[in-house]
Amino acid sequence: GAGVSQSPRYKVAKRGQDVALRCDPISGHVSLFWYQQALGQGPEFLTYFQNEAQLDKSGLPSDRFFAERPEGSVSTLKIQRTQQEDSAVYLCASSPPGQGGFFGPGTRLTVL
Amino acid sequence: GENVEQHPSTLSVQEGDSAVIKCTYSDSASNYFPWYKQELGKRPQLIIDIRSNVGEKKDQRIAVTLNKTAKHFSLHITETQPEDSAVYFCAASILDDMRFGAGTRLTVKP
Repeated sequence: GAGVSQSPRYKVAKRGQDVALRCDPISGHVSLFWYQQALGQGPEFLTYFQNEAQLDKSGLPSDRFFAERPEGSVSTLKIQRTQQEDSAVYLCASSPPGQGGFFGPGTRLTVL
Repeated sequence: GENVEQHPSTLSVQEGDSAVIKCTYSDSASNYFPWYKQELGKRPQLIIDIRSNVGEKKDQRIAVTLNKTAKHFSLHITETQPEDSAVYFCAASILDDMRFGAGTRLTVKP
C-alpha cells in the first residue's frame, strides 16, 4: 500500500515568498506530525494533529508558520514570508494511535 | 513538553563489535519509545520500539531496554555490520505526542 507522501519534494523560494507544503498520510492514520530537520540534526517537532484537531503547535517557530488538516486527512504546512533560516527538510509522519510514525520522504525547502 | 536527550552524538565501532546508544526522557508519563534509523538522504525508518510496560525487547541483532524509574532507554546493536552505519534517533511519546533525540551517527568500520 501507499506510504506517506509529501509534495513538492524540493522547493526553492525567494526570501519573503509564501510556501505551502503538502502531506498525504497513510489512509486511516489518526495522528499526523510535522517536523523540521536541519542538515545533520534530528527532527524537531513542529506540530501534531489527531484527526482534524491540532493538539500541539508548540514547536512552530513563529507566527509565520501555520498548519492545518481540515478533514483529518491531508495536511498543509504553510510558511509565510520565508526567511533563510527556514531552509530545512520538512518531514511529515503519520501513525495509528499509540504506534511509531511512518515518515514521508520530506520536502527540502531552500530559501534564497 | 517532553525533552529527550541522546548520547553519544557520534559512535564509531569495528565491524562485529556491539554498539549502544542511550536516551533519557523528562516526562514520566511517556509510555512509548520508538527508535528510528535514518540513512543519508532518506527518511527515518522505524526499526524497533518498546512500551512502558516492558523492560526489554529484542529483534535479531537489535534490542532495546527501558528503565522507567531512571527514565532512560537504550538501543543495543550486536555483531554490527557496515550497513548498520546511519544516524539513529530515539523518541519518547506521551499518548501520540512524539519528541525525538538529537541523533547518534553510527559508523561501522569494516
